[in-house]
Amino acid sequence: DGGITQSPKYLFRKEGQNVTLSCEQNLNHDAMYWYRQDPGQGLRLIYYSQIVNDFQKGDIAEGYSVSREKKESFPLTVTSAQKNPTAFYLCASSIGNLYNEQFFGPGTRLTVL
Amino acid sequence: GQQVMQIPQYQHVQEGEDFTTYCNSSTTLSNIQWYKQRPGGHPVFLIQLVKSGEVKKQKRLTFQFGEAKKNSSLHITATQTTDVGTYFCAGDSNTGNQFYFGTGTSLTVIP
Repeated sequence: DGGITQSPKYLFRKEGQNVTLSCEQNLNHDAMYWYRQDPGQGLRLIYYSQIVNDFQKGDIAEGYSVSREKKESFPLTVTSAQKNPTAFYLCASSIGNLYNEQFFGPGTRLTVL
Repeated sequence: GQQVMQIPQYQHVQEGEDFTTYCNSSTTLSNIQWYKQRPGGHPVFLIQLVKSGEVKKQKRLTFQFGEAKKNSSLHITATQTTDVGTYFCAGDSNTGNQFYFGTGTSLTVIP
């Protein structure tokens, strides 16, 4: 099955801890993205990567970090510097040009206690 | 900064009624995409419009891109319960390398 996987589906962490969210795709897509979704709001872009070993900040990158060491993987670390980390995090990928049709993973719901 | 607003935020319709959501950007977009997110699910791509004034249809769904490429609409004819979900427009600005989602319209269809 081709697609994007995110794990885990639900994640709980204590305040002050860093946490890394996993995103893997086997679609052979070049571009990958991380979004954050809060209730009543649209998706907001955190980071994006067009090719391996390169990534750019999105609209709300503060308190987050990413890496892109492999084409298939784009993990997101939510650091303790992120003031309001509780949210639904969505990973996506697209083929060809940046921001072509995006395929989304099932998401990870992070709750910081 | 860039803002992409959608109206209405919520819409309840009786099954069989029509539904329209409107998307407005503060800046010109190079293209507009529409996504649907079912409750508890993830966004799924519906369509992309690129040309000024473009109109595309998918069965009961009609998508339009404004002449100035700053607004768009999605119209659903004769809604069905399977249309339930939140509809998002999204696009990248002509001026920058960013991608923005609209605020979304949540559609409830009453059987």
